[in-house]
Amino acid sequence: DAGVTQSPTHLIKTRGQHVTLRCSPISGHKSVSWYQQVLGQGPQFIFQYYEKEERGRGNFPDRFSARQFPNYSSELNVNALLLGDSALYLCASSGTGGETQYFGPGTRLLVL
Amino acid sequence: GENVEQHPSTLSVQEGDSAVIKCTYSDSASNYFPWYKQELGKRPQLIIDIRSNVGEKKDQRIAVTLNKTAKHFSLHITETQPEDSAVYFCAASLLGGYNKLIFGAGTRLAVHP
Repeated sequence: DAGVTQSPTHLIKTRGQHVTLRCSPISGHKSVSWYQQVLGQGPQFIFQYYEKEERGRGNFPDRFSARQFPNYSSELNVNALLLGDSALYLCASSGTGGETQYFGPGTRLLVL
Repeated sequence: GENVEQHPSTLSVQEGDSAVIKCTYSDSASNYFPWYKQELGKRPQLIIDIRSNVGEKKDQRIAVTLNKTAKHFSLHITETQPEDSAVYFCAASLLGGYNKLIFGAGTRLAVHP
């Protein structure tokens, strides 16, 4: 039984570029959440999607956007990258009950 | 705004000792409190969680207690082992609608043989 998967595992970009990160939830899970984890800190909530609709958004600028597809996979897009966007981006999926969030391995983004 | 404070930031214990990590949350509406363990370079993994209608929950060497009045919850690990060494995060959430997790800053636990 596959867990949450994310791609790519690592990414290096330069300031001003854009990036797309991908996430596939656990089979049967319809909710996907995105978190940003800066080194030495706890994850910070970015977005949550359920049944392809945005259900919540954290305190992140409009440069961050996301979407969820009919197969419940999700993309996180970040435009006009800043050095401060360097972080581990985590995707979490949860089932219909919505309680437990299971995390993927993350995508480590480095902005130079 | 919503906030979760976690203490201590680092904790060093001898193998076999107990470890306690404490968290305080600000949003009194929060009703779900999971704990995650994150080993170096790996994903956060849920180790135990508790709902606000329960005061204590135990799973083998791990227990969590919740004091709703004081808005405190704690993780207790007994008989610590070197493989317990990791960063532990507490989180608070409001179930229903959408349950974004508000995380604490983490506690780095080192268990020395």
